[in-house]
Amino acid sequence: GAGVSQSPSNKVTEKGKDVELRCDPISGHTALYWYRQSLGQGLEFLIYFQGNSAPDKSGLPSDRFSAERTGGSVSTLTIQRTQQEDSAVYLCAATGYGETQYFGPGTRLLVL
Amino acid sequence: DAKTTQPTSMDCAEGRAANLPCNHSTISGNEYVYWYRQIHSQGPQYIIHGLKNNETNEMASLIITEDRKSSTLILPHATLRDTAVYYCIVRVGSNTGKLIFGQGTTLQVKP
Repeated sequence: GAGVSQSPSNKVTEKGKDVELRCDPISGHTALYWYRQSLGQGLEFLIYFQGNSAPDKSGLPSDRFSAERTGGSVSTLTIQRTQQEDSAVYLCAATGYGETQYFGPGTRLLVL
Repeated sequence: DAKTTQPTSMDCAEGRAANLPCNHSTISGNEYVYWYRQIHSQGPQYIIHGLKNNETNEMASLIITEDRKSSTLILPHATLRDTAVYYCIVRVGSNTGKLIFGQGTTLQVKP
């Protein structure tokens, strides 16, 4: 999707461990979004970055979730002390010169 | 909550046009209608968007009613690879521009 990559593709972790998910949009993408999709559910917004700042964090489900973006490019979503309900596909989207969001392939997180 | 309503599922014969309806009766004047689709296990794929006028690109056409309260996505010649969940989204008219996804329409293209 227009040059948005995510890593890892899949992540299996144990309950209580911390995980980091990475989003790498191609250079020039100004806005960056994180969404998640739980099994059988729709996509829900988590957080939005404009440059390196996050003016909208309203979708983060708890204080165990945090995200940062550096250099106006790569973003990392961190989940601390993972719980089984955190299992989901985490999707990153970025905009280019327009406002259309292009999604990456997602990271499938499974918390055992 | 999503500002759109769509049928849960639809079928379409391969090679025929697929017409996917969407209601967005509370849309504001500066809000765009976006369509995405999600094929199983993949990230959502952008299809098309519009404000007032009908739009066409290499993937689809978007027909928006004059009162902007509803729209239709048209896939002119559906193929089996068009089987997916199609989301109609009214892009939030705020600085964030976050997308609020509903449940979408599951389109099944049949041979």
